[in-house]
Amino acid sequence: SQQGEEDPQALSIQEGENATMNCSYKTSINNLQWYRQNSGRGLVHLILIRSNEREKHSGRLRVTLDTSKKSSSLLITASRAADTASYFCATDAEEGGSEKLVFGKGTKLTVNP
Amino acid sequence: NAGVTQTPKFQVLKTGQSMTLQCAQDMNHEYMSWYRQDPGMGLRLIHYSVGAGITDQGEVPNGYNVSRSTTEDFPLRLLSAAPSQTSVYFCASSYSGGSLANIQYFGAGTRLSVL
Repeated sequence: SQQGEEDPQALSIQEGENATMNCSYKTSINNLQWYRQNSGRGLVHLILIRSNEREKHSGRLRVTLDTSKKSSSLLITASRAADTASYFCATDAEEGGSEKLVFGKGTKLTVNP
Repeated sequence: NAGVTQTPKFQVLKTGQSMTLQCAQDMNHEYMSWYRQDPGMGLRLIHYSVGAGITDQGEVPNGYNVSRSTTEDFPLRLLSAAPSQTSVYFCASSYSGGSLANIQYFGAGTRLSVL
């Protein structure tokens, strides 16, 4: 399995601080995505980074991808209590398609007001 | 535009009972998938479909059947429920091409307990 592994499993920070989550995967990929899941809800897509990209920004989110190390990081700057959620990375195999995304186990982020 | 709709939201079954989890999307997506989410395990792919009439197995297909007779619907059938199938089930859909390809849209989930 090429399942991604997020690190840390849980992260607790104060409002206004930055939060960094990491994801490692096993095989070559086309894309890597990050999703957010609020408690009791479905997953929501945050950002997609392609294998030929190294960094991508979206609002307070910054994602980096290092294909040589098979790893990615998600940085949330100036965190807010509303950012409290679980965050998952997802990869699609180079030989497969987007219908077969493989998700990691997630990082549970708690932002304390 | 409702997105991905899953029904029911909650269900309790007895061991051996069968049931169908419904999933419908109104975005004309070609790809649809079913995942289960268990504590500490993340999401695991059960079955997926790349278009009407085409389905294939994911990582954990045993005990589940699917069919895709229309683009919109992708029901998941539990043939004989077992306690190990207690989980939260998510349906997702995505485009197969274009600028939005690869991005999956998720339903709100079905929370299933098998006693």
